[in-house]
Amino acid sequence: DVKVTQSSRYLVKRTGEKVFLECVQDMDHENMFWYRQDPGLGLRLIYFSYDVKMKEKGDIPEGYSVSREKKERFSLILESASTNQTSMYLCASSPSLALLSYEQYFGPGTRLTVT
Amino acid sequence: GEDVEQSLFLSVREGDSSVINCTYTDSSSTYLYWYKQEPGAGLQLLTYIFSNMDMKQDQRLTVLLNKKDKHLSLRIADTQTGDSAIYFCAEPYFKAAGNKLTFGGGTRVLVKP
Repeated sequence: DVKVTQSSRYLVKRTGEKVFLECVQDMDHENMFWYRQDPGLGLRLIYFSYDVKMKEKGDIPEGYSVSREKKERFSLILESASTNQTSMYLCASSPSLALLSYEQYFGPGTRLTVT
Repeated sequence: GEDVEQSLFLSVREGDSSVINCTYTDSSSTYLYWYKQEPGAGLQLLTYIFSNMDMKQDQRLTVLLNKKDKHLSLRIADTQTGDSAIYFCAEPYFKAAGNKLTFGGGTRVLVKP
């Protein structure tokens, strides 16, 4: 079974702090994604990566950065957390497009509260 | 796809059928997906349909695809309390590198005993 794990289920941080959210997948997938999920807005893509050290902005990258130094690990960084970044953060991975599948496998999510 | 739309909420009695509807935008989509999110959890793939099919049945789940109208539906027969969740439809997003998905806003299904 594909397993995507996220470093924390719940996180509380103060405004202005630097926050790291970690995601690890064990299926050697090329693609990894970070989403945020807010009530009524569904899933919105923040950043994704299709290879080590490669990253692409998603729909809402402002206030976030990412790092992918190893294939299995994709980190989301909030440089200076703000209250409007309080949300559920979901990580996902998917195999190469060569397999003609767009299926994504999700981690359990991190609920981040910024106070 | 840029705008995948779903209704926000569905209430259904236990034992009845549920139908969740979705409209998508890209007629060239190869696969269309339904994901389920249980409370406090991430998303899990529930089922998918390939674009050359009109219908796919998998136990209590039936997916119907109307390519002309770009309309996708998920029918759950004999709905159970364990089916209470948020359901997302998704289509591939072709406009950039990487195999991305565009998700609908999600339909929250509440099953009443």
